[in-house]
Amino acid sequence: EAGVAQSPRYKIIEKRQSVAFWCNPISGHATLYWYQQILGQGPKLLIQFQNNGVVDDSQLPKDRFSAERLKGVDSTLKIQPAKLEDSAVYLCASSSPLRAGELFFGEGSRLTVL
Amino acid sequence: DQQVKQNSPSLSVQEGRISILNCDYTNSMFDYFLWYKKYPAEGPTFLISISSIKDKNEDGRFTVFLNKSAKHLSLHIVPSQPGDSAVYFCAASRGTGNQFYFGTGTSLTVIP
Repeated sequence: EAGVAQSPRYKIIEKRQSVAFWCNPISGHATLYWYQQILGQGPKLLIQFQNNGVVDDSQLPKDRFSAERLKGVDSTLKIQPAKLEDSAVYLCASSSPLRAGELFFGEGSRLTVL
Repeated sequence: DQQVKQNSPSLSVQEGRISILNCDYTNSMFDYFLWYKKYPAEGPTFLISISSIKDKNEDGRFTVFLNKSAKHLSLHIVPSQPGDSAVYFCAASRGTGNQFYFGTGTSLTVIP
């Protein structure tokens, strides 16, 4: 089966600019996650979707970050305006109801904010 | 507030020997634990899991041990192979459908 697809793989922007990341989960996976991984740290959950509804966005900086999952399939994470501390790898993951405890991650989108 | 901790940033082991990676957690409500393996420029891949009703789970060369009273889990890799060289993350959650909290990772190097 095809894995979790993410794009772009790399993005360099200046602070105060905006950026968007796209994720297409594994077909049939109802749950989709966006994680932020800062260098030297473990992944931190930003937002979790169940189909097209938000389950948990308690750690999403809502003044600058937004995410949507249209039609319960692919998802977009946006940052506007970006700050230097947003430099990180943004990982998308999905899971199926049958194996809810196992997350399948994409390769990630590496963001550098200058 | 780091609820899952991996206190060893790195570990080097000779090929064929045992690798032991450790993880501690602070939240006693966590009842599901996972280990992920990550190669450079790739996303983490699921390795093995354990629920709190067990104290051991084995899958081939990989065994995870859970000590609930100590809030500690460990991953044993026997025998270690050079292809096991990667960063290993442990993660914990309350149930399988809730947020997973990740540790900071341990970089394992298996020396041929």
